[in-house]
Amino acid sequence: DTGVSQDPRHKITKRGQNVTFRCDPISEHNRLYWYRQTLGQGPEFLTYFQNEAQLEKSRLLSDRFSAERPKGSFSTLEIQRTEQGDSAMYLCASNTPRQGTKSSYNEQFFGPGTRLTVL
Amino acid sequence: AQKITQTQPGMFVQEKEAVTLDCTYDTSDQSYGLFWYKQPSSGEMIFLIYQGSYDEQNATEGRYSLNFQKARKSANLVISASQLGDSAMYFCAMGQGKNSGGYQKVTFGTGTKLQVIP
Repeated sequence: DTGVSQDPRHKITKRGQNVTFRCDPISEHNRLYWYRQTLGQGPEFLTYFQNEAQLEKSRLLSDRFSAERPKGSFSTLEIQRTEQGDSAMYLCASNTPRQGTKSSYNEQFFGPGTRLTVL
Repeated sequence: AQKITQTQPGMFVQEKEAVTLDCTYDTSDQSYGLFWYKQPSSGEMIFLIYQGSYDEQNATEGRYSLNFQKARKSANLVISASQLGDSAMYFCAMGQGKNSGGYQKVTFGTGTKLQVIP
């Protein structure tokens, strides 16, 4: 399977604990995105990497959230001191720039997500 | 601030009929992109179609077409010949900060739940 993978798929934690999620993008993709999706809502953009550089961060990404992509391949998203409001699906997506007007050139390939439940 | 508005929380369509899902957007950028994604109950996000702000022709991908009206800031999705498998959540999204063929930020709407009736 050469798609985007995320680990773990499910995480249950107690309030106040730290959690870390991993995303492995499609190998040739140099762009990586993190989103958060709560029930009944659309994905909310969290952050964007181009290679190892974090170029865009949402105001939703409070100081308890940190994301890294140290070698420009996989990425991790860490949430410190989790709160019940952090319960959501965390989605990762990747793509690679291609010039041209073909619709699929701009497709973001999404992973299956990590569902976080904070008790 | 960028904003995507989907005013239809839920829609019904008869199988084999066409359906239009509405999307309006707000941006001050000149260059942006508009996307539609499908999310079945299984949860995966499936890319459907993309329209760049400078593209003169409306995008089409099989049974999907994007009715892009730039002056109205709308990007409605038209699904022709609906199938039972089209039942899902549909999200409109806008990309901004384009460089080298990709976007730095993508903003999603709240989605429309489409149900196809046999």
